[in-house]
Amino acid sequence: DQQVKQNSPSLSVQEGRISILNCDYTNSMFDYFLWYKKYPAEGPTFLISISSIKDKNEDGRFTVFLNKSAKHLSLHIVPSQPGDSAVYFCAASKGQNTNAGKSTFGDGTTLTVKP
Amino acid sequence: DAGITQSPRHKVTETGTPVTLRCHQTENHRYMYWYRQDPGHGLRLIHYSYGVKDTDKGEVSDGYSVSRSKTEDFLLTLESATSSQTSVYFCAIRNRMDEKLFFGSGTQLSVL
Repeated sequence: DQQVKQNSPSLSVQEGRISILNCDYTNSMFDYFLWYKKYPAEGPTFLISISSIKDKNEDGRFTVFLNKSAKHLSLHIVPSQPGDSAVYFCAASKGQNTNAGKSTFGDGTTLTVKP
Repeated sequence: DAGITQSPRHKVTETGTPVTLRCHQTENHRYMYWYRQDPGHGLRLIHYSYGVKDTDKGEVSDGYSVSRSKTEDFLLTLESATSSQTSVYFCAIRNRMDEKLFFGSGTQLSVL
């Protein structure tokens, strides 16, 4: 049973437009959500996160929205740039301290931003 | 960038041989993790450590063992490698005050 799902394996958008990446989760115990970005032959890098006590977190061009009732979160990138082309992983964790970092990851969405 | 290095970066080995992957950090972080990533899939937690000599299993720990004798080093051992363990292995570290992980560049392991 996959607890974190990214149902779109790929997404293609035009430079300057908005990219919206979606993520669904099934475990209501998750209380912290993160997005990571991964380029080929590199490790994932942290992008943005959100706690379950919030419904929105913004950092520059990146905004994450959380809908707890729907168990859904989304990552918005505005405006999209060619350098944003990468695989984006949604991750969820539960609890603090020892449990933090034991994230459950989605399968990833490959974003392609066309010039 | 977080000071985390993995070695080797690439390894080819034969079925049945033991393999050890190393993760070294210079950040003095308490928490360290080993994940594996397979094509078309996300990262899955193998083992993690919350301090020297303190380790625990993740969701896909069968066939793997770990050791942490120093804060800076976290070793992942495949006792007898199998083809199903062909994967990219990522080590990650975490500051206890933060939720986010810092990942190494990964080790591509091929078991023939």
